[in-house]
Amino acid sequence: GENVEQHPSTLSVQEGDSAVIKCTYSDSASNYFPWYKQELGKGPQLIIDIRSNVGEKKDQRIAVTLNKTAKHFSLHITETQPEDSAVYFCAAWGFSGGYNKLIFGAGTRLAVHP
Amino acid sequence: EAQVTQNPRYLITVTGKKLTVTCSQNMNHEYMSWYRQDPGLGLRQIYYSMNVEVTDKGDVPEGYKVSRKEKRNFPLILESPSPNQTSLYFCASSPLSITDTQYFGPGTRLTVL
Repeated sequence: GENVEQHPSTLSVQEGDSAVIKCTYSDSASNYFPWYKQELGKGPQLIIDIRSNVGEKKDQRIAVTLNKTAKHFSLHITETQPEDSAVYFCAAWGFSGGYNKLIFGAGTRLAVHP
Repeated sequence: EAQVTQNPRYLITVTGKKLTVTCSQNMNHEYMSWYRQDPGLGLRQIYYSMNVEVTDKGDVPEGYKVSRKEKRNFPLILESPSPNQTSLYFCASSPLSITDTQYFGPGTRLTVL
């Protein structure tokens, strides 16, 4: 079944620096990869997603890249700001346990210091 | 305002005392699901529903029940809670399927003593 590994588990950067979070997945048939941001005391919120027919997608300071051959995808945040501080989860849509589902990574706690 | 609401937000209970966590969405979404979030494990799906009266097990369904009598509501029922069900629970909805944008509720922190 699908398995998603996410690294690093914690990331600390200075305001204005870039942050990169990486995820690997195991099911080569997976074709949908969302990223969620979870602020303290709130539910996760979709910030960007990518499907397997593209290699990169960008939305202002956020970008996601996908390497299907290597089975990994990454979140890139440029010009980080204190409000980017949160827990970020990657996920992959795959087949596991008899049905299709989203498998989440364990999360990355990002701290952006002013 | 388009949203997913959950109640209660916090709950402390004792082993064996039946409880229900309500979930409601006002976006006319077909797909709804429940997740639990535990440290180091990310989010794991408990149950999901693709439409009214259609529910199915997710990754970790043991000890939970759900129902989908109306499109907007998807309650999570713990018939006999145990301490290993202490967790942070999220309800989510999406327009049609799990590969659409999922909208999460604010979460319910449950402690079972």
